[in-house]
Amino acid sequence: DGGITQSPKYLFRKEGQNVTLSCEQNLNHDAMYWYRQDPGQGLRLIYYSQIVNDFQKGDIAEGYSVSREKKESFPLTVTSAQKNPTAFYLCASSYEWGGGNEKLFFGSGTQLSVL
Amino acid sequence: AQSVAQPEDQVNVAEGNPLTVKCTYSVSGNPYLFWYVQYPNRGLQFLLKYITGDNLVKGSYGFEAEFNKSQTSFHLKKPSALVSDSALYFCAVRDMDSNYQLIWGAGTKLIIKP
Repeated sequence: DGGITQSPKYLFRKEGQNVTLSCEQNLNHDAMYWYRQDPGQGLRLIYYSQIVNDFQKGDIAEGYSVSREKKESFPLTVTSAQKNPTAFYLCASSYEWGGGNEKLFFGSGTQLSVL
Repeated sequence: AQSVAQPEDQVNVAEGNPLTVKCTYSVSGNPYLFWYVQYPNRGLQFLLKYITGDNLVKGSYGFEAEFNKSQTSFHLKKPSALVSDSALYFCAVRDMDSNYQLIWGAGTKLIIKP
């Protein structure tokens, strides 16, 4: 079945540690996104990638990094510079960026907590 | 500045009754509007979108939404609620003229009581 796979489902970070969240899609989509979800707030965009080997900062990129070396993969690293990393992280993809054809497909999310 | 408001944190409806989840928006140009649903501990699922054309948009699971340009609203509706409709609903908007990112509402928790 086509879709987006995020792993792990739960992740715990120690202080000063970098952790990486995995996101893989087999939908052949060009665009991929990372969102952060906090209770009572809308989704906030961390990074997005319109095409392989390219990515752009979203509204809350500080303390995060990404790569897009393959079309199907868009891993997110939460660095030690991110002082409040506890949140639910969602990866999404779409056929293309913008233009109204923006039906997003989401993974099941990763819950990151600080030990 | 672009923004989306979902004025109700929670909506309670009895099973079988009609439901409405409200969304208002502010963009400088013409809007693209979307509704997504999130079940517990899951990612979001697309319900429907408005790009242009008929103001009444039909989507998945029997949901529909009405675009009202004068009131800058895009309320989600369903004629007869099911217990399984209980979930978190998000409205999102993109300014058609800016090619900017989607802006998301804070979400509305819909509770359908048997």
